[in-house]
Amino acid sequence: DAGVTQSPTHLIKTRGQQVTLRCSPISGHKSVSWYQQVLGQGPQFIFQYYEKEERGRGNFPDRFSARQFPNYSSELNVNALLLGDSALYLCASSPTSGATDTQYFGPGTRLTVL
Amino acid sequence: EDQVTQSPEALRLQEGESSSLNCSYTVSGLRGLFWYRQDPGKGPEFLFTLYSAGEEKEKERLKATLTKKESFLHITAPKPEDSATYLCAVQAWSGNTPLVFGKGTRLSVIA
Repeated sequence: DAGVTQSPTHLIKTRGQQVTLRCSPISGHKSVSWYQQVLGQGPQFIFQYYEKEERGRGNFPDRFSARQFPNYSSELNVNALLLGDSALYLCASSPTSGATDTQYFGPGTRLTVL
Repeated sequence: EDQVTQSPEALRLQEGESSSLNCSYTVSGLRGLFWYRQDPGKGPEFLFTLYSAGEEKEKERLKATLTKKESFLHITAPKPEDSATYLCAVQAWSGNTPLVFGKGTRLSVIA
């Protein structure tokens, strides 16, 4: 069975641009969460979506937004990119939004902002 | 505020030299504690979930244990392929809370 997939693998943008990252969850999983991981740090929570509704939001500015589609895939959008947005962006899926559901991570998208 | 502190930041072992990684946590009611392995440039790979103090889980050379304040990841007779960053995360009972991660322990096992 395929795991969580993310695209693109790598992305290079310049300051002020906008970027869209994509995630497909494990088949049968209805919840998707997004995390940002800066080099040398643990992942930091950005959003959780379940059944197309936002269920949680981390401490990130409004430049960050996300949505979930009827097939449970998800997109993360970041506007007006800053140098500090350079990071590995991780998507994780779980069967439901239940807190005891294990979250399974994708390979991530490496975003570099110049 | 929920917090996770992992120690040491980095650990270098000889092949076969057993050791333990520590994860200390502060959380307003623990729902679950999670251990992940992360290879450079890749996403975290799930290892274990622990729910209550006294619980233990094992997988190959790894064994995770949990107390009310900390968790240990014991590595027995490690091999070079065990080299990775090991991440600890907690989830609290209050509301629909996400995983809160520590910074990880970077493990290097030398042949």
